[in-house]
Amino acid sequence: GAVVSQHPSWVICKSGTSVKIECRSLDFQATTMFWYRQFPKQSLMLMATSNEGSKATYEQGVEKDKFLINHASLTLSTLTVTSAHPEDSSFYICSAWGTGRTNYGYTFGSGTRLTVV
Amino acid sequence: GNSVTQMEGPVTLSEEAFLTINCTYTATGYPSPFWYVQYPGEGLQLLLKATKADDKGSNKGFEATYRKETTSFHLEKGSVQVSDSAVYFCALTLLSGYNKLIFGAGTRLAVHP
Repeated sequence: GAVVSQHPSWVICKSGTSVKIECRSLDFQATTMFWYRQFPKQSLMLMATSNEGSKATYEQGVEKDKFLINHASLTLSTLTVTSAHPEDSSFYICSAWGTGRTNYGYTFGSGTRLTVV
Repeated sequence: GNSVTQMEGPVTLSEEAFLTINCTYTATGYPSPFWYVQYPGEGLQLLLKATKADDKGSNKGFEATYRKETTSFHLEKGSVQVSDSAVYFCALTLLSGYNKLIFGAGTRLAVHP
């Protein structure tokens, strides 16, 4: 079946530094990537949607200059949290929509827990 | 607007008990509902889905029937196990293809031996 590999699974960084999170589709082409963040015991909040080769579409209230999304290929999308602050600490999850031999639908990465100290 | 409402947790059950987690939605167009499960510290896994009215999705003993007349997609399992302890999310998408998923708040299930 379809697999999305998300790395790192957890990261601790100092306030003011940047962190890059990668999501790779291993056996299918991810034409669209969704990026979510999840606060403890809460639901997933969609941050942005990106199509391969295009600029990401950000949800209202999400700072596009802070959360940089790159989707340069059909198998890789990255989210970079720039100048991270403690309030950016959260669980970030990617979800890929792709096609292959069969329609895989949405496939989620395993998530990245970001802690900013 | 479009939204998903699911019952608040936590839901605490004994092993082999019957499980129901209610999910209703408000949506325009032609929604397709899903149930996802999230185990501690992990991402989301698709549990089951439906694509048209009266469809029943099933997987691992879980079932849900898409009821268009009541705009519901309640999750059920006849006999839960400790390993079913997780957070369950009801979600829907409005169009086939690339449209985003709209999630409910999630329901935490704890099953005790």
